[in-house]
Amino acid sequence: DAKTTQPPSMDCAEGRAANLPCNHSTISGNEYVYWYRQIHSQGPQYIIHGLKNNETNEMASLIITEDRKSSTLILPHATLRDTAVYYCIVPPLLPSNTGKLIFGQGTTLQVKP
Amino acid sequence: DTGVSQDPRHKITKRGQNVTFRCDPISEHNRLYWYRQTLGQGPEFLTYFQNEAQLEKSRLLSDRFSAERPKGSFSTLEIQRTEQGDSAMYLCASRQGQGQNIQYFGAGTRLSVL
Repeated sequence: DAKTTQPPSMDCAEGRAANLPCNHSTISGNEYVYWYRQIHSQGPQYIIHGLKNNETNEMASLIITEDRKSSTLILPHATLRDTAVYYCIVPPLLPSNTGKLIFGQGTTLQVKP
Repeated sequence: DTGVSQDPRHKITKRGQNVTFRCDPISEHNRLYWYRQTLGQGPEFLTYFQNEAQLEKSRLLSDRFSAERPKGSFSTLEIQRTEQGDSAMYLCASRQGQGQNIQYFGAGTRLSVL
């Protein structure tokens, strides 16, 4: 399984960009990087995913390094409602591609007024 | 609301009792997952269904745990002879059979074993 490493916590000022890093140095060539977040007392919520190109959707941008060993999730204008635990996940393709998500500890993002 | 429903939202039981949780996935999703989350930890995978077939079980799923998805729609997770260590949030997620691995999670069932 491709393990991911994230900082345990980060702070961000409301209205500023939040940049959340993730290391996944053992990722294999066809494994995707997924980001989910979990707001307190809710189930996890999908944010964005990517393989090798940078991706953007209405929630966030994902920047993946050329060697694919790390990525950064960017919330361009963080709001108080973005306070959550953010998980960077690389679902394993082997031994069976069931799509199970392996969550680490994630990064607790605190957005402050 | 993600479209995935879990019932009940909270369950308090005494040690040794059996409990059953239900998950109703998004109707067109044929893949269903159960996860368990303890306080301060990320969710941990328990088991996976594709339609009615249970195709993967984690080692976390001891023989006191059983999951079913009899008609490939809703799923149940039963815990027999509950222990205090079973206290956790039990999360269900579903996704489409094809395409990307975007899972939609329910709000979870919080189990407290006294």
